[in-house]
Amino acid sequence: DGGITQSPKYLFRKEGQNVTLSCEQNLNHDAMYWYRQDPGQGLRLIYYSQIVNDFQKGDIAEGYSVSREKKESFPLTVTSAQKNPTAFYLCASAGTGYNSPLHFGNGTRLTVT
Amino acid sequence: AQSVTQLGSHVSVSEGALVLLRCNYSSSVPPYLFWYVQYPNQGLQLLLKYTTGATLVKGINGFEAEFKKSETSFHLTKPSAHMSDAAEYFCAVSVGGSQGNLIFGKGTKLSVKP
Repeated sequence: DGGITQSPKYLFRKEGQNVTLSCEQNLNHDAMYWYRQDPGQGLRLIYYSQIVNDFQKGDIAEGYSVSREKKESFPLTVTSAQKNPTAFYLCASAGTGYNSPLHFGNGTRLTVT
Repeated sequence: AQSVTQLGSHVSVSEGALVLLRCNYSSSVPPYLFWYVQYPNQGLQLLLKYTTGATLVKGINGFEAEFKKSETSFHLTKPSAHMSDAAEYFCAVSVGGSQGNLIFGKGTKLSVKP
């Protein structure tokens, strides 16, 4: 079955360390997105990419970095510059056209202590 | 600028009762509107969407929503709540015709009492 795979499900890191969250899709979608979810805050867009080797900052890109070397993969690195990295991170993808729905992965819960 | 307001961060209903989750939006252009559902520790699933055409939109699991331009609302309803409907629900508006550039509301957590 096609879908989006995020790994790992839970991730624990010490403050000051960079950490990379994986996102892989086999839906053949061009566009991929990273959202951050905090309790009571809804979802906030971190980065998005509409084509390989190109990506744009979302609303809260500071302290994060991404790459899009392959259509299937869109990893997110949470750097030590991110002041409050503990959160639930969601990856999504979409095909072309506004009628193409967003497909979400099951998320990675990152805890930094 | 586009924005979404969901009234009520928590809603509790009895099993079999009407579910009404409220969403109001602000948009300078005709909006594309969406409702998503999230079960604990999972991603979001699309419930339904409004783009153009019929203002009453039917979705999965018996949910529907009505686009009311005059009230700038897109409330989600279900005639009879089921225990399995307990989840968090997000309303979203598209800012540029692209699904990914969505503005999400803060979510409404629905509890269903037996």
